Amino acid sequence: GQNIDQPTEMTATEGAIVQINCTYQTSGFNGLFWYQQHAGEAPTFLSYNVLDGLEEKGRFSSFLSRSKGYSYLLLKELQMKDSASYLCAVRDRGTGFQKLVFGTGTRLLVSP
Amino acid sequence: DSGVTQTPKHLITATGQRVTLRCSPRSGDLSVYWYQQSLDQGLQFLIHYYNGEERAKGNILERFSAQQFPDLHSELNLSSLELGDSALYFCASSVASGTTAYEQYFGPGTRLTVT
Repeated sequence: GQNIDQPTEMTATEGAIVQINCTYQTSGFNGLFWYQQHAGEAPTFLSYNVLDGLEEKGRFSSFLSRSKGYSYLLLKELQMKDSASYLCAVRDRGTGFQKLVFGTGTRLLVSP
Repeated sequence: DSGVTQTPKHLITATGQRVTLRCSPRSGDLSVYWYQQSLDQGLQFLIHYYNGEERAKGNILERFSAQQFPDLHSELNLSSLELGDSALYFCASSVASGTTAYEQYFGPGTRLTVT
């Protein structure tokens, strides 16, 4: 089976940088996604990593280390609107190519 | 706006009843996925359809069923409803199915309340 761990909650200040970690265990890793979800709304796609290294997209970056089963999402120049849950999701060959297994999410609270 | 539509937005019904949730994928997307999100729970994968065929099943209860129609819209049927079925139900779509990873685009969800 799969096991995905993320911190439950984090707090940060507007303008700061925050790193949200995700560790996973799967038998056939085939990609990792990060989604943002505001309360009561749909998740929206942020980033995708399948090879080791850093993917940068504006204020957001995502890093992957397959050997360590580890990823992080880095948010820079935090804004109040970044207060949301951040979901790490893993694609596993053993469970079907397009089945994503989601972590329970990290709730980020950005304060002024 | 992801381009995925879901109806209804809210649904309140009683235990033992049956409901149908509807999803229309983004134009051109052949894959539809259904997820359940309970309070304080992560997104739980229920089922995946590709071009009308079931492709993968998650921990979907036997009381739940789904189908994808020739026009690619999908319906999730929930029967013999229990209080614990109260949740947000999301539909997502992606371009295709297979070895290549495609991001999934989520609809706004249907909030089901069972009383």
